[in-house]
Amino acid sequence: GEDVEQSLFLSVREGDSSVINCTYTDSSSTYLYWYKQEPGAGLQLLTYIFSNMDMKQDQRLTVLLNKKDKHLSLRIADTQTGDSAIYFCAESIQTGRRALTFGSGTRLQVQP
Amino acid sequence: EPEVTQTPSHQVTQMGQEVILRCVPISNHLYFYWYRQILGQKVEFLVSFYNNEISEKSEIFDDQFSVERPDGSNFTLKIRSTKLEDSAMYFCASSRQAADNQPQHFGDGTRLSIL
Repeated sequence: GEDVEQSLFLSVREGDSSVINCTYTDSSSTYLYWYKQEPGAGLQLLTYIFSNMDMKQDQRLTVLLNKKDKHLSLRIADTQTGDSAIYFCAESIQTGRRALTFGSGTRLQVQP
Repeated sequence: EPEVTQTPSHQVTQMGQEVILRCVPISNHLYFYWYRQILGQKVEFLVSFYNNEISEKSEIFDDQFSVERPDGSNFTLKIRSTKLEDSAMYFCASSRQAADNQPQHFGDGTRLSIL
């Protein structure tokens, strides 16, 4: 079955770039998503990428997809203390099937 | 920006009791979902709902669970006889269309605590 894995923790200094990594197992993934969860809040959609794309950029966020290695990354440029949160990678694996499979989340800690 | 809203934010219930979690999806959305996150574990898919019927469900969504859209705005998850292991954060989500490039937007969740 499908599985999505992430490292659990990342600590960076304010102003540095953060790179959060995700690996998935199912080669039929169609869309891959990044969600952000702040303490006590829900899952906020940050960005998503279709599996036929290699890269997507949206302001400070850059998503890179290596389909051969089944590796997805989220780069946050100029990381701010407000970026401290848990970041979840998720995939949808088949056209017409809507269930998202989530990774365990990466806790990003931004140090001033 | 339109949001998915969930009530209550925290629900405490005795084991064996019925509980109903409520969600108001984004108004022009057509697909609705429930997910749960047990403390320390991954977010897990429970069920999706479209055109007044379940379109997909996971193994977790057994006979104790049911969903309903009782009116034009609410979407509910009912757990008939709660168990301790039902304690989790429950997230509702909605998406606009059937196309895959319509992402799911999530509410802030309901924390369900079973005593």
